[in-house]
Amino acid sequence: EVQLLESGGGLVQPGGSLRLSCAASGFTFSNYAMAWVRQAPGKGLEWVSAISNNADRKYYTDAVKGRFTISRDNSKNTVYLQMSSLRADDTAVYFCAVNWNCDHWGQGTLVTVSS
Amino acid sequence: DVVMTQSPLSLPVTLGQPASISCRSSQSLVYSDGNTYLNWFHQRPGQSPRRLIYKVSNRDSGVPDRFSGSGSGNDFTLKISRVEAEDVGVYYCMQGSHLYTFGQGTKLEI
Repeated sequence: EVQLLESGGGLVQPGGSLRLSCAASGFTFSNYAMAWVRQAPGKGLEWVSAISNNADRKYYTDAVKGRFTISRDNSKNTVYLQMSSLRADDTAVYFCAVNWNCDHWGQGTLVTVSS
Repeated sequence: DVVMTQSPLSLPVTLGQPASISCRSSQSLVYSDGNTYLNWFHQRPGQSPRRLIYKVSNRDSGVPDRFSGSGSGNDFTLKISRVEAEDVGVYYCMQGSHLYTFGQGTKLEI
């Protein structure tokens, strides 16, 4: 069974940084791309970033380019999202998902950017 | 950027009756490999999204056959043949042919 466990969310001040982690199990992690999708409170889904299985391709939505960095450690079955220069509109639940087209999703971790 | 437009945004339905959601893209979703990467997701209140349909019309494992997807180019539809109580929630289309974009969501309520 595919399992994804996000962690690292919390309250951070505007301009601050946070690193999210997503630990995967139940599938051969190194064979699959991974993605991050976020959902602001009461709003819809927004694709954020994705990384190929061997990390040679990384993509970002325009709103986070230059501020967020996606990475992965295939030896730890974990994908990361390093977030910096955080703004209030980055406040959201951040989900990780398997594969380019989001086959399976985790439960999400809440990031709140507020002073 | 590709814009995905869903309609309606709110869909009141009656149990046992059919339901249909439209999703239109601002440009064709036919990818260079010939596939059309159009997905449908369902999110129940307080839960994570779950993918129902991939590449326009392929049901994911465990998805009831009352769900079907159709369409081509830039015009797509999700149909539920007979709505059940567990189908409530928000439905999203997502394109994966030109980076990735979600529609605004359609709230299905009974």
